[in-house]
Amino acid sequence: QKEVEQDPGPLSVPEGAIVSLNCTYSNSAFQYFMWYRQYSRKGPELLMYTYSSGNKEDGRFTAQVDKSSKYISLFIRDSQPSDSATYLCAMSVAGGFKTIFGAGTRLFVKA
Amino acid sequence: ETGVTQTPRHLVMGMTNKKSLKCEQHLGHNAMYWYKQSAKKPLELMFVYNFKEQTENNSVPSRFSPECPNSSHLFLHLHTLQPEDSALYLCASSQDQRQGRNYGYTFGSGTRLTVV
Repeated sequence: QKEVEQDPGPLSVPEGAIVSLNCTYSNSAFQYFMWYRQYSRKGPELLMYTYSSGNKEDGRFTAQVDKSSKYISLFIRDSQPSDSATYLCAMSVAGGFKTIFGAGTRLFVKA
Repeated sequence: ETGVTQTPRHLVMGMTNKKSLKCEQHLGHNAMYWYKQSAKKPLELMFVYNFKEQTENNSVPSRFSPECPNSSHLFLHLHTLQPEDSALYLCASSQDQRQGRNYGYTFGSGTRLTVV
């Protein structure tokens, strides 16, 4: 079993739709949860960061962590064509240098 | 640029060549990383340096040799690579995470390596 599972997609939605991206994980020791956005021919860019359980909102983006289910989500409201990218979930334990990444979900937002 | 600069952006090399990838950050971070990104696979951690000291070597073949002369610069020396080493090589930096907190990484744009 992989430590982090993420559906690779691709996921195609119309402009304005609400997008839900998800990851599951197996290591209950993970405490830091992140979402990165990666545009084509670019490196990943940190989008959202969450510590432990709960929700975090930043503009059109909401990150949710459910540690009891080992499940994290990223919601994008009012999606735009500029949101078309690959979204990577990532997580780590405290005090270490190893961040484990999902394989990424490719998102297309059609105008 | 994101604050982490990688050169070159593209590299084509033969299996007998020797080349080096360079990474530079001016964010005041103390930790630097090399990751390998292959199509449809998760990022693979290769090496970690914290305050210039190597803290992780994730069972990387010896044909990849890292060097960290200071907290702002990181190199990846390549020699006698195989075609399966073709990938996007990403450099990243972060604050020292030994204190327990992970605030995420800043990545460079990567070097697209093709081994022929």
